[in-house]
Amino acid sequence: AQSVTQLDSHVSVSEGTPVLLRCNYSSSYSPSLFWYVQHPNKGLQLLLKYTSAATLVKGINGFEAEFKKSETSFHLTKPSAHMSDAAEYFCVVSSLKAAGNKLTFGGGTRVLVKP
Amino acid sequence: DVKVTQSSRYLVKRTGEKVFLECVQDMDHENMFWYRQDPGLGLRLIYFSYDVKMKEKGDIPEGYSVSREKKERFSLILESASTNQTSMYLCASSPGVAGIVRSYEQYFGPGTRLTVT
Repeated sequence: AQSVTQLDSHVSVSEGTPVLLRCNYSSSYSPSLFWYVQHPNKGLQLLLKYTSAATLVKGINGFEAEFKKSETSFHLTKPSAHMSDAAEYFCVVSSLKAAGNKLTFGGGTRVLVKP
Repeated sequence: DVKVTQSSRYLVKRTGEKVFLECVQDMDHENMFWYRQDPGLGLRLIYFSYDVKMKEKGDIPEGYSVSREKKERFSLILESASTNQTSMYLCASSPGVAGIVRSYEQYFGPGTRLTVT
């Protein structure tokens, strides 16, 4: 079985300050981990993915995430928030043993960026 | 660029109606998925398909069925719509050789917001 917990349902930051979105996972097997972003009334867009290569993963729009196996975490960061980063973010886990390439989604973190 | 399209962005149906949601992908992906998204619950998998005419139940299949007659098209069917099926429905696809498990990322369509009254 696998599961994902996003520790904050809402995060509020000021433009130009760092963003941290926290994610913990559990998986019986070697996981693949993803972060997706969803802007209002849009589909989900892949930000970045971890698939057992480098533990520090760089994604689009200046985001990066670090896989820490000992802490079962995959936190998403960005050094300087932009107004366009206001959206909902989903941490996602997949296991090579999960049939049909199923993904398990966290509950989402909604990011508000203040000017 | 991978493109996943869904037949409608917004749909309003009456209780008891049969509803078809269509999804088409243009990247020759083997795997296709239907999710529903509700506030506070994230995305929940309804059904998925890893090959033409093949389907598997997800976490919440009750009240839904699916059809995949062609590789590029995956349909979600609500046999008799109910108000608790009011939701955002998202279709996704991913590559993967049929029958072999891989953890590929999924590519999502824009979603269909369905309201059942």
